[in-house]
Amino acid sequence: GQQLNQSPQSMFIQEGEDVSMNCTSSSIFNTWLWYKQDPGEGPVLLIALYKAGELTSNGRLTAQFGITRKDSFLNISASIPSDVGIYFCAGGGISSGSARQLTFGSGTQLTVLP
Amino acid sequence: EPEVTQTPSHQVTQMGQEVILRCVPISNHLYFYWYRQILGQKVEFLVSFYNNEISEKSEIFDDQFSVERPDGSNFTLKIRSTKLEDSAMYFCASRHASGGKWTGELFFGEGSRLTVL
Repeated sequence: GQQLNQSPQSMFIQEGEDVSMNCTSSSIFNTWLWYKQDPGEGPVLLIALYKAGELTSNGRLTAQFGITRKDSFLNISASIPSDVGIYFCAGGGISSGSARQLTFGSGTQLTVLP
Repeated sequence: EPEVTQTPSHQVTQMGQEVILRCVPISNHLYFYWYRQILGQKVEFLVSFYNNEISEKSEIFDDQFSVERPDGSNFTLKIRSTKLEDSAMYFCASRHASGGKWTGELFFGEGSRLTVL
């Protein structure tokens, strides 16, 4: 099956610092999404990307859909304590006629230190 | 804001017992999913469901698993004979169909934690 490599696995940063994480795949995806998961809760969608090369922002979050369709990055600027959590990238397949499930990366655990 | 709801939030069961996890997807959504997350690991796809039938399933979704939409609102995951390794958080998700375009936006419930003893 399709595999996503997400890095880094974990990050410890100071409040106010910028953060960057990325995902790569050997397969092409039609859609890249970034989710955040807080402890004991389900993933919540942060940003969705639908076109190769697309750069999208959501507040302090910026994500890009790689031009090869095999990678994506997420940047968080000026981190705050509530940014703590696990961030997952997810790729949506390109097969037509299917229900198009998502493949998730292994997650980046973000810790923001005061 | 509409949301996906799941029950129970936590279930403890003995190995070999049957378990049913319930989900109420967002009302105008047409595609339904079950994912699972073993503690500390990534979210893994189990099965997708559309038009009252399974569309795709992963290798995890073996004969011990089944899904059903028994009425117009519920979507259930049944594990017939639980194993220790079935202990995980199970997430239901749903998405809206938008003229056939893949929007990719799955909305997840808060999960049901299954503990198999």
